[in-house]
Amino acid sequence: QQQVKQSPQSLIVQKGGISIINCAYENTAFDYFPWYQQFPGKGPALLIAIRPDVSEKKEGRFTISFNKSAKQFSLHIMDSQPGDSATYFCAASMDQAGTALIFGKGTTLSVSS
Amino acid sequence: ETGVTQSPTHLIKTRGQQVTLRCSSQSGHNTVSWYQQALGQGPQFIFQYYREEENGRGNFPPRFSGLQFPNYSSELNVNALELDDSALYLCASSSILAGGEQFFGPGTRLTVL
Repeated sequence: QQQVKQSPQSLIVQKGGISIINCAYENTAFDYFPWYQQFPGKGPALLIAIRPDVSEKKEGRFTISFNKSAKQFSLHIMDSQPGDSATYFCAASMDQAGTALIFGKGTTLSVSS
Repeated sequence: ETGVTQSPTHLIKTRGQQVTLRCSSQSGHNTVSWYQQALGQGPQFIFQYYREEENGRGNFPPRFSGLQFPNYSSELNVNALELDDSALYLCASSSILAGGEQFFGPGTRLTVL
Protein backbone atom coordinates (compact mmCIF):
# COMPACT_ATOMS: atom_id res chain seq x y z
CA GLN A 1 0.00 0.00 0.00
CA GLN A 2 1.54 3.23 -1.16
CA GLN A 3 1.33 5.81 1.59
CA VAL A 4 2.48 8.80 -0.46
CA LYS A 5 1.08 9.30 -3.95
CA GLN A 6 2.89 11.72 -6.28
CA SER A 7 1.78 13.23 -9.56
CA PRO A 8 2.47 13.81 -12.36
CA GLN A 9 5.00 11.15 -13.26
CA SER A 10 6.67 13.52 -15.73
CA LEU A 11 6.43 17.21 -16.48
CA ILE A 12 7.70 19.46 -19.25
CA VAL A 13 7.84 23.20 -18.56
CA GLN A 14 9.11 26.14 -20.58
CA LYS A 15 11.99 28.15 -19.18
CA GLY A 16 10.60 30.83 -16.89
CA GLY A 17 7.39 28.92 -16.25
CA ILE A 18 5.99 27.48 -13.02
CA SER A 19 6.46 23.78 -12.26
CA ILE A 20 3.89 22.22 -9.92
CA ILE A 21 4.21 18.74 -8.41
CA ASN A 22 1.53 17.30 -6.14
CA CYS A 23 1.56 14.72 -3.37
CA ALA A 24 -1.15 13.12 -1.25
CA TYR A 25 -0.66 11.10 1.89
CA GLU A 26 -2.82 8.70 3.88
CA ASN A 27 -1.28 8.43 7.34
CA THR A 28 -2.43 11.31 9.55
CA ALA A 29 0.47 10.56 11.91
CA PHE A 30 2.91 12.01 9.37
CA ASP A 31 4.21 15.36 10.60
CA TYR A 32 7.24 16.11 8.46
CA PHE A 33 7.12 16.56 4.69
CA PRO A 34 10.38 17.11 2.78
CA TRP A 35 11.03 17.44 -0.94
CA TYR A 36 14.17 16.00 -2.49
CA GLN A 37 15.81 16.69 -5.86
CA GLN A 38 17.82 13.97 -7.57
CA PHE A 39 20.09 14.27 -10.60
CA PRO A 40 21.16 11.18 -12.56
CA GLY A 41 23.94 9.30 -10.80
CA LYS A 42 23.53 11.30 -7.59
CA GLY A 43 21.78 10.78 -4.28
CA PRO A 44 18.66 12.77 -3.40
CA ALA A 45 19.34 16.29 -2.09
CA LEU A 46 17.03 17.96 0.42
CA LEU A 47 15.33 21.00 -1.17
CA ILE A 48 12.77 22.22 1.32
CA ALA A 49 10.59 20.74 4.06
CA ILE A 50 7.43 21.67 5.96
CA ARG A 51 5.61 20.75 9.16
CA PRO A 52 1.77 20.63 9.23
CA ASP A 53 1.48 23.64 11.53
CA VAL A 54 2.11 25.98 8.57
CA SER A 55 0.28 26.13 5.24
CA GLU A 56 3.13 27.47 3.13
CA LYS A 57 6.91 27.71 3.18
CA LYS A 58 9.05 29.53 0.66
CA GLU A 59 12.78 29.29 0.03
CA GLY A 60 14.00 31.20 -2.99
CA ARG A 61 12.17 29.93 -6.08
CA PHE A 62 10.80 26.89 -4.24
CA THR A 63 7.50 26.94 -2.32
CA ILE A 64 5.67 24.15 -0.48
CA SER A 65 1.91 24.51 -0.08
CA PHE A 66 0.32 22.28 2.54
CA ASN A 67 -3.37 21.38 2.99
CA LYS A 68 -3.76 19.37 6.18
CA SER A 69 -7.51 18.73 5.82
CA ALA A 70 -7.07 17.38 2.29
CA LYS A 71 -3.87 15.52 3.24
CA GLN A 72 -2.12 17.05 0.26
CA PHE A 73 1.02 19.09 -0.32
CA SER A 74 2.67 20.46 -3.39
CA LEU A 75 5.96 21.89 -4.63
CA HIS A 76 5.96 24.99 -6.80
CA ILE A 77 9.11 25.96 -8.70
CA MET A 78 8.89 29.54 -9.89
CA ASP A 79 10.85 30.83 -12.90
CA SER A 80 11.88 27.28 -13.81
CA GLN A 81 15.35 26.96 -15.33
CA PRO A 82 17.00 24.22 -17.43
CA GLY A 83 19.23 23.48 -14.41
CA ASP A 84 16.09 22.48 -12.50
CA SER A 85 15.67 19.48 -14.82
CA ALA A 86 15.84 16.53 -12.42
CA THR A 87 13.66 14.01 -10.62
CA TYR A 88 11.75 15.36 -7.62
CA PHE A 89 10.51 13.22 -4.75
CA CYS A 90 8.08 14.14 -2.03
CA ALA A 91 8.36 12.25 1.25
CA ALA A 92 6.77 12.02 4.65
CA SER A 93 7.75 10.78 8.07
CA MET A 94 6.35 10.66 11.57
CA ASP A 95 9.02 12.84 13.10
CA GLN A 96 11.56 15.31 11.82
CA ALA A 97 14.35 12.95 12.83
CA GLY A 98 13.18 10.94 9.83
CA THR A 99 12.88 7.59 11.49
CA ALA A 100 11.63 6.34 8.16
CA LEU A 101 11.07 8.58 5.17
CA ILE A 102 8.24 7.30 2.95
CA PHE A 103 8.85 8.52 -0.59
CA GLY A 104 6.56 9.11 -3.52
CA LYS A 105 7.46 7.54 -6.85
CA GLY A 106 9.01 10.71 -8.23
CA THR A 107 8.37 13.29 -10.93
CA THR A 108 10.81 13.79 -13.79
CA LEU A 109 10.93 17.49 -14.65
CA SER A 110 12.29 18.74 -17.95
CA VAL A 111 12.66 22.50 -18.41
CA SER A 112 13.06 23.43 -22.05
CA SER A 113 15.01 26.48 -23.10
CA GLU B 1 27.46 17.86 -1.94
CA THR B 2 26.80 16.32 1.45
CA GLY B 3 29.57 14.89 3.60
CA VAL B 4 28.13 11.39 3.26
CA THR B 5 30.33 8.96 1.34
CA GLN B 6 29.55 5.45 0.13
CA SER B 7 31.66 2.64 -1.28
CA PRO B 8 31.91 1.02 -3.67
CA THR B 9 30.29 3.12 -6.40
CA HIS B 10 29.28 0.12 -8.48
CA LEU B 11 29.18 -3.59 -7.80
CA ILE B 12 28.26 -6.66 -9.84
CA LYS B 13 27.37 -9.91 -8.08
CA THR B 14 25.72 -13.17 -9.03
CA ARG B 15 22.57 -14.62 -7.53
CA GLY B 16 23.17 -16.33 -4.18
CA GLN B 17 26.28 -14.34 -3.31
CA GLN B 18 26.68 -11.98 -0.36
CA VAL B 19 27.53 -8.27 -0.51
CA THR B 20 28.68 -5.59 1.94
CA LEU B 21 28.14 -1.89 1.26
CA ARG B 22 29.75 0.87 3.32
CA CYS B 23 28.75 4.36 4.38
CA SER B 24 30.53 7.16 6.22
CA SER B 25 28.19 9.65 7.80
CA GLN B 26 28.48 13.43 7.73
CA SER B 27 30.58 14.91 10.53
CA GLY B 28 28.50 15.35 13.69
CA HIS B 29 25.75 12.96 12.58
CA ASN B 30 25.09 9.91 14.76
CA THR B 31 22.21 8.27 12.86
CA VAL B 32 22.43 6.35 9.59
CA SER B 33 19.50 5.16 7.50
CA TRP B 34 19.68 2.85 4.49
CA TYR B 35 17.32 2.94 1.50
CA GLN B 36 16.89 0.83 -1.63
CA GLN B 37 15.99 2.67 -4.84
CA ALA B 38 14.87 0.49 -7.73
CA LEU B 39 15.09 1.97 -11.22
CA GLY B 40 12.40 4.57 -11.76
CA GLN B 41 11.11 4.38 -8.19
CA GLY B 42 11.42 6.35 -4.99
CA PRO B 43 13.78 5.18 -2.25
CA GLN B 44 12.40 2.55 0.14
CA PHE B 45 13.45 2.52 3.79
CA ILE B 46 15.44 -0.57 4.81
CA PHE B 47 16.53 0.27 8.38
CA GLN B 48 18.10 2.89 10.60
CA TYR B 49 20.98 2.70 13.07
CA TYR B 50 21.42 4.96 16.09
CA ARG B 51 24.17 4.49 18.65
CA GLU B 52 25.17 1.19 17.05
CA GLU B 53 21.70 -0.35 17.40
CA GLU B 54 18.92 -0.91 14.86
CA ASN B 55 16.32 1.79 15.44
CA GLY B 56 13.55 0.94 12.99
CA ARG B 57 13.17 -1.38 10.04
CA GLY B 58 11.15 -1.33 6.85
CA ASN B 59 9.56 -4.26 5.03
CA PHE B 60 12.77 -6.07 4.12
CA PRO B 61 13.66 -9.72 4.91
CA PRO B 62 16.27 -10.68 7.54
CA ARG B 63 18.88 -11.36 4.84
CA PHE B 64 19.27 -7.57 4.84
CA SER B 65 21.32 -6.73 7.91
CA GLY B 66 23.48 -3.89 9.10
CA LEU B 67 26.03 -2.58 11.51
CA GLN B 68 26.98 0.80 12.89
CA PHE B 69 30.43 1.43 14.28
CA PRO B 70 31.57 3.73 17.14
CA ASN B 71 32.60 6.38 14.59
CA TYR B 72 28.97 6.25 13.26
CA SER B 73 29.96 4.73 9.91
CA SER B 74 27.75 1.86 8.80
CA GLU B 75 27.58 -1.28 6.72
CA LEU B 76 24.67 -2.88 4.86
CA ASN B 77 24.98 -6.62 4.31
CA VAL B 78 22.77 -8.58 1.95
CA ASN B 79 22.93 -12.39 1.93
CA ALA B 80 21.63 -14.82 -0.69
CA LEU B 81 21.35 -12.14 -3.36
CA GLU B 82 18.32 -12.26 -5.65
CA LEU B 83 17.88 -10.64 -9.06
CA ASP B 84 15.36 -8.19 -7.56
CA ASP B 85 18.05 -6.87 -5.22
CA SER B 86 19.53 -4.99 -8.18
CA ALA B 87 19.11 -1.34 -7.23
CA LEU B 88 20.80 1.83 -6.03
CA TYR B 89 21.49 1.57 -2.31
CA LEU B 90 21.49 4.90 -0.53
CA CYS B 91 22.66 5.79 2.89
CA ALA B 92 21.52 8.92 4.70
CA SER B 93 22.94 10.45 7.85
CA SER B 94 21.19 12.69 10.32
CA SER B 95 21.35 14.06 13.84
CA ILE B 96 18.43 14.93 16.06
CA LEU B 97 20.50 17.72 17.59
CA ALA B 98 21.05 19.18 14.11
CA GLY B 99 17.35 19.14 13.21
CA GLY B 100 16.95 15.57 12.03
CA GLU B 101 17.07 16.22 8.28
CA GLN B 102 18.45 13.26 6.37
CA PHE B 103 21.36 13.91 3.99
CA PHE B 104 22.02 11.29 1.35
CA GLY B 105 25.21 9.91 -0.08
CA PRO B 106 25.67 9.24 -3.82
CA GLY B 107 24.69 5.59 -3.48
CA THR B 108 26.08 2.22 -4.53
CA ARG B 109 24.70 0.72 -7.73
CA LEU B 110 24.33 -3.05 -7.21
CA THR B 111 23.70 -5.34 -10.17
CA VAL B 112 22.79 -8.97 -9.51
CA LEU B 113 23.19 -11.33 -12.47
